[in-house]
Amino acid sequence: EPEVTQTPSHQVTQMGQEVILRCVPISNHLYFYWYRQILGQKVEFLVSFYNNEISEKSEIFDDQFSVERPDGSNFTLKIRSTKLEDSAMYFCASSEGQVYGYTFGSGTRLTVV
Amino acid sequence: KNEVEQSPQNLTAQEGEFITINCSYSVGISALHWLQQHPGGGIVSLFMLSSGKKKHGRLIATINIQEKHSSLHITASHPRDSAVYICAVSYTGNQFYFGTGTSLTVIP
Repeated sequence: EPEVTQTPSHQVTQMGQEVILRCVPISNHLYFYWYRQILGQKVEFLVSFYNNEISEKSEIFDDQFSVERPDGSNFTLKIRSTKLEDSAMYFCASSEGQVYGYTFGSGTRLTVV
Repeated sequence: KNEVEQSPQNLTAQEGEFITINCSYSVGISALHWLQQHPGGGIVSLFMLSSGKKKHGRLIATINIQEKHSSLHITASHPRDSAVYICAVSYTGNQFYFGTGTSLTVIP
């Protein structure tokens, strides 16, 4: 069964450093998403991406965040200057279309120290 | 606008029991997801529905648009069903709003 692959599974970074979280969506999917889940809290939408541009973003997705699909297969989330409160599990998801279900990756646990 | 309420928050059941998890939302939606999150953190999409009922194996999801309510049923529950079940809704576009989840433990 096709999978969404996320790397790394766990990343520890110093406050103020830049991090890039990587995702390889399912190859024929057209919509890509990033979500985050702070420990003990609910999952939160960050951003959706379609046709090489952001289609929707939440209030959380401020100027510190950016997304890119650099080579037609990877989908990356960059946090420019990490803060302690960015520590969370980050999930990538992809979908064939808006009326279809999502496939989630297994997540990247980001710890900012 | 983005209130998604799930009940119960925690549920313990004996193996074989029929389980119901409920989700209510506050305004009209375009779609509703049921998701399963395992103890390791991974999320699996179970159903996406906008009307009626869907069934997959022992899982059944229903939605009542007029009552703004959805239920997830598990028949003949098994310990491997133990997980957090999350309801998420979208109103327009791609942004989903998530409930806090229902933690299910099925005891052998």
